[in-house]
Amino acid sequence: EIVLTQSPATLSLSPGERATLSCRASQSVSSYLAWYQQKSGQAPRLLIYDASNRATGIPARFSGSGSGTDFTLTISSLEPEDFAVYFCQQRTNWPITFGQGTRLEIK
Amino acid sequence: EVQLLASGGDLVQPGGSLRLSCAASGFIFSSYAMNWVRQAPGKGLEWVSTIGNTGASTYYADSVKGRFTISRDNSKNTVFLQMTSLRDEDTAVYYCAKSITTINWRDYFDYWGQGTLVTVSS
Repeated sequence: EIVLTQSPATLSLSPGERATLSCRASQSVSSYLAWYQQKSGQAPRLLIYDASNRATGIPARFSGSGSGTDFTLTISSLEPEDFAVYFCQQRTNWPITFGQGTRLEIK
Repeated sequence: EVQLLASGGDLVQPGGSLRLSCAASGFIFSSYAMNWVRQAPGKGLEWVSTIGNTGASTYYADSVKGRFTISRDNSKNTVFLQMTSLRDEDTAVYYCAKSITTINWRDYFDYWGQGTLVTVSS
């Protein structure tokens, strides 16, 4: 099973700041990695797939990068609605696995 | 507009059974794999099961293999999750989710239902 480790567990920033979230895989997942945003009481929303492709309707301030075992989700300038929990997910091998999440909170 | 409406969650005793349903609309249901993902209270996301577009291929997490069965009815645009021998640790919100492509069974999830709560407790 591929283990995805996200860091930090919690990130405290202010609106307008840049956020950098990390996801590290226990073995290479090539570029088969996605990022999701989940707000309290809601279902997750797909942000990025194949490491760097924005999903439909996702604002350009969200970007993804990386390959192999190290990946980054960057939010260039935080909006109030961006404060949420973010998960990464790999589709390289069964079972599909998710990271444990990074909580992005308002400082 | 893609919509996924999950239902069937309930309070059930350990060892009991439950059947979840997810009614889909707004896309060609028979072309896509469908999935169940769960989230225990206050925890992260856990993939549970995937079914290919025809229903011929199914995949399960080890934690549910042999106890849960995924199925689909393409004539009714509905996917099911039959859960048996339920345990306390199966308590979670269960989401149905659509695969993003028509090619991969092991895929990303571009649309999610609202979730249905399963509580296993005596």
